[in-house]
Order: sequence, then structure tokens, then C-alpha cells
Amino acid sequence: AQSVTQLDSQVPVFEEAPVELRCNYSSSVSVYLFWYVQYPNQGLQLLLKYLSGSTLVKGINGFEAEFNKSQTSFHLRKPSVHISDTAEYFCAVSDARTTSGTYKYIFGTGTRLKVLA
Amino acid sequence: GAGVSQSPSNKVTEKGKDVELRCDPISGHTALYWYRQSLGQGLEFLIYFQGNSAPDKSGLPSDRFSAERTGGSVSTLTIQRTQQEDSAVYLCASSLQTRSNEQFFGPGTRLTVL
Repeated sequence: AQSVTQLDSQVPVFEEAPVELRCNYSSSVSVYLFWYVQYPNQGLQLLLKYLSGSTLVKGINGFEAEFNKSQTSFHLRKPSVHISDTAEYFCAVSDARTTSGTYKYIFGTGTRLKVLA
Repeated sequence: GAGVSQSPSNKVTEKGKDVELRCDPISGHTALYWYRQSLGQGLEFLIYFQGNSAPDKSGLPSDRFSAERTGGSVSTLTIQRTQQEDSAVYLCASSLQTRSNEQFFGPGTRLTVL
């Protein structure tokens, strides 16, 4: 069974500082990986996704994530955060096998990023 | 174009009552998902639709929960005999029918059971 772990429930960081939000997954099969963001009082939207190819994936708003197969991680990073990045961030995984019959996505419990002035 | 819409946005009900939550997916999206978001619990998968059929109902918490989808479009999630632990935000998402495509989420329905 697949699972996603986001160890940090809350991450406070000062404006213009770098940030890394951690995501580890557990799966015995190949997976697709996603990061979603939920701004206050809004729905979730996709930040970026890893399907295949380059392990460094760039997304919207200056975010990027690196897929590390050996460490089963997909950490999200931004070199300089803004107040507007304050939101909840969710990591998710889906089964990448073409023979799989499931379209289920597994989400982590989320990390609340609080950017301080 | 229009995104995923959900109604009502807020629902307050008394314990023991039945509630119906509605989701209108993006036109042309054959996959539809229901999730429950509770404080500190992340997104809990409830059910997935492929067209009108639900090949994966594994996340429904109890037999009080059911969902249907008609015409490959609108879906309703019904909770019978609501309990206080059912209080949460119920999110709907739709996507094109592949695992690599992103899910587009609605704004959610906040359910409060008194």
C-alpha cells in the first residue's frame, strides 16, 4: 500500500528566507508525485508534478521539487518566500503503472507554511 | 471556463439528519473524486468515479455514506443519520482519465453536525 508522510505540520519562516517542505512516500511500485497548495479559504491547486525524466521539477510561483528515488522523497523548496506564500501544502502520490486499475491518489496530512514579516 | 463547483458551501445540521452534498465537475472530466478534510488529518479519500461507475469505494467510512454520479457529470454525496464526527470539509475534485493528470478541486462544503 502507498502512503505519504509530511513530517512537519507547521513551518514558520521569515520573508525572503529559503524554505524546504518535506515529503516522503512509501510505495512498492512506480509512482507519480504531486504538490498542491491551499491558500486560506480557497480550494487546492496544483503547484507541480513529477511524472518521469528530470528529477528536478519546477512549478508555479517559484517553487521546485526534487524527486529522490533512493530516499523515496519529493521535497518542495523555494529560495526566497513571500508573505503571499502563506498556505497549506499537500504532497500526493498516485500509481504510475499502466497496468494498474486504480486512479486513487494518496495525500499527506499537509504542512502549514507561515511566512513572517 | 468554469471550474469545479460544490453546493452548499456551508451546511449546519442536527445529529441524526440526512444531508446531500453536490459536486459539478469540469465539463469533459470523466474522473471525479470525493475527499474529506478534517483539521490536522489531511485529505481523506472517500470515493472515486470513472464515468458513472465507482470502481473504488474503499474510503467510505461507514454504510451511512453513499455517492452517485449521473450522466457522467454531477455527483451527490449523501450522509445518512449524521453524527458529530462527520463534521468536516468535503472536497470534490475532477480530472481527465489518467493518473498523471492533475485534479481540479472545488471550494468544498463545510459540514457542521450539532
